[in-house]
Amino acid sequence: GENVEQHPSTLSVQEGDSAVIKCTYSDSASNYFPWYKQELGKGPQLIIDIRSNVGEKKDQRIAVTLNKTAKHFSLHITETQPEDSAVYFCAASPDSGSARQLTFGSGTQLTVLP
Amino acid sequence: GAGVSQSPSNKVTEKGKDVELRCDPISGHTALYWYRQSLGQGLEFLIYFQGNSAPDKSGLPSDRFSAERTGGSVSTLTIQRTQQEDSAVYLCASIPPPGQGAGYGYTFGSGTRLTVV
Repeated sequence: GENVEQHPSTLSVQEGDSAVIKCTYSDSASNYFPWYKQELGKGPQLIIDIRSNVGEKKDQRIAVTLNKTAKHFSLHITETQPEDSAVYFCAASPDSGSARQLTFGSGTQLTVLP
Repeated sequence: GAGVSQSPSNKVTEKGKDVELRCDPISGHTALYWYRQSLGQGLEFLIYFQGNSAPDKSGLPSDRFSAERTGGSVSTLTIQRTQQEDSAVYLCASIPPPGQGAGYGYTFGSGTRLTVV
């Protein structure tokens, strides 16, 4: 089955700096890669996702890049703000019709220091 | 409803007791997932329901765990004879049918924090 590894497990940045979180996956059949943000006491919330037919996707201050050859994908947050502090999870899934079971990374605790 | 609703939000139970956790998915979402999140860990897949198909139970850690989904909507996760290692946050997520709504994005509930003492 799929195995997703995520690094780093914790990340502290100064407000205004950029943050990068990296994930690798093992199953070459995976072609859907979402990122989730989990705030304290809440469930994970989808913030951005990418399909394997594109190499990069951007939404305001967040962007995701995908390298299918190397089987890794990354989340980039620019101009970080204190409200970006949360746990971020990457995930991967094969696009097998309606069975879209995600395998998650172990999470990154991001702290943005004011 | 507007989102995925889980109840209770917190549950403290004594070792050996049975517990039931409830998930009320977004109306019209045909797929429902249960995940477990242990302290400081990622999300561990437990079980998956898709429409009227037989559920994928491959992630259930032992036969003490079971789940059902009645009428294609509300789901209940049952843990029998709870053990301390069952302590975790249990998350439910639903997704719309293919071609509708937010595509492949899961919508998670806020979870049930289970503590076995």
